Amino acid sequence: GEDVEQSLFLSVREGDSSVINCTYTDSSSTYLYWYKQEPGAGLQLLTYIFSNMDMKQDQRLTVLLNKKDKHLSLRIADTQTGDSAIYFCAEKRGRDYKLSFGAGTTVTVRA
Amino acid sequence: DTGVSQDPRHKITKRGQNVTFRCDPISEHNRLYWYRQTLGQGPEFLTYFQNEAQLEKSRLLSDRFSAERPKGSFSTLEIQRTEQGDSAMYLCASSFPGGRALSSYNEQFFGPGTRLTVL
Repeated sequence: GEDVEQSLFLSVREGDSSVINCTYTDSSSTYLYWYKQEPGAGLQLLTYIFSNMDMKQDQRLTVLLNKKDKHLSLRIADTQTGDSAIYFCAEKRGRDYKLSFGAGTTVTVRA
Repeated sequence: DTGVSQDPRHKITKRGQNVTFRCDPISEHNRLYWYRQTLGQGPEFLTYFQNEAQLEKSRLLSDRFSAERPKGSFSTLEIQRTEQGDSAMYLCASSFPGGRALSSYNEQFFGPGTRLTVL
């Protein structure tokens, strides 16, 4: 099983904000990532945060990192129907090159 | 170059048969990764190459699995004597080292995957 945990489903009304949460277990994680997967497509990197940062904002996306609680969140402002997808949290641990992923959160945007 | 490509996109095989998948990374990327994704789960790391050297293998990679990257460019993943439990999406990713910018060092670019169904 994964060491990275995410809630499995999120339903949000179009125009509202979405918040997807993730917890990880390895305090040596250097980078934490959010990937998006749409049906039939590969994983697309949305954003990332370096472990010495608390927050990162990129247009409609805001990433918050709480290292003490090993908690990561992704907020999507003004959620659109095109944001419907599976969102994966991933961590890069220490000097590893591989990524460790959560099980993914399925976001459904309703009109 | 439009990104990481994988071939085939879909493969259906009978239990006990051998299958081989191919991954072509982004041309200047010297690191290549294989992951497996089963339904409802996130990708799980299988193995990783730097140039032609296979530097790490997961315990998920049983002796029926073998991966190669003979010239440090494309890679193949072979599964021998397939089992129904091998049914999954096999994802390939590549990255390029160096620098502090994410796009040049840490970002892994994923291909569309090969979906394997073992009957």
